Amino acid sequence: DGGITQSPKYLFRKEGQNVTLSCEQNLNHDAMYWYRQDPGQGLRLIYYSQIVNDFQKGDIAEGYSVSREKKESFPLTVTSAQKNPTAFYLCASSIGFNEKLFFGSGTQLSVL
Amino acid sequence: AQRVTQPEKLLSVFKGAPVELKCNYSYSGSPELFWYVQYSRQRLQLLLRHISRESIKGFTADLNKGETSFHLKKPFAQEEDSAMYYCALSGGYSGAGSYQLTFGKGTKLSVIP
Repeated sequence: DGGITQSPKYLFRKEGQNVTLSCEQNLNHDAMYWYRQDPGQGLRLIYYSQIVNDFQKGDIAEGYSVSREKKESFPLTVTSAQKNPTAFYLCASSIGFNEKLFFGSGTQLSVL
Repeated sequence: AQRVTQPEKLLSVFKGAPVELKCNYSYSGSPELFWYVQYSRQRLQLLLRHISRESIKGFTADLNKGETSFHLKKPFAQEEDSAMYYCALSGGYSGAGSYQLTFGKGTKLSVIP
């Protein structure tokens, strides 16, 4: 099951700790995205990247950071500044702008 | 600002009955609209997009610009249609050059045998 891979499946964060969620794709897609999914809230865009070494804030970027050093990788760091990090995080990619999104299987982040 | 509204959190229908999942949007330009679906224990995936004008798994959706709607329809529901459905709108780049893809909050469809 190639395509887009997120790890780990479950992650726990202690108070004041930064944690990093991994997202890797082998689809040769230029664009990658991070969404946060909360019950009853739908998907909200955290960050997106349309090309290597470039990324843009989405609607809820505060408390998060990303990097895009390689085309296939788009890790998301949840910093200690994110006061409500417990959520399901989805990574996605697309071949280009306005194209079909391919989603990973997600990471559930919880706070200890 | 663009917005997507899915008024029903949960929709239950009997097998064989028609299904309509509602989606209304707010956007001043020409939108690109999508329906994504998430079956139990599977990844979120694209079901259909309005520019393709295709029918996938018996589902269709027509963009009605006058009513700003993009409702998802199927004439006869099947048990395997039970899933979470999300409507999404792409408004293209904003004036600041940022990408805008907005998802609705989703509707859980439950098909009763």
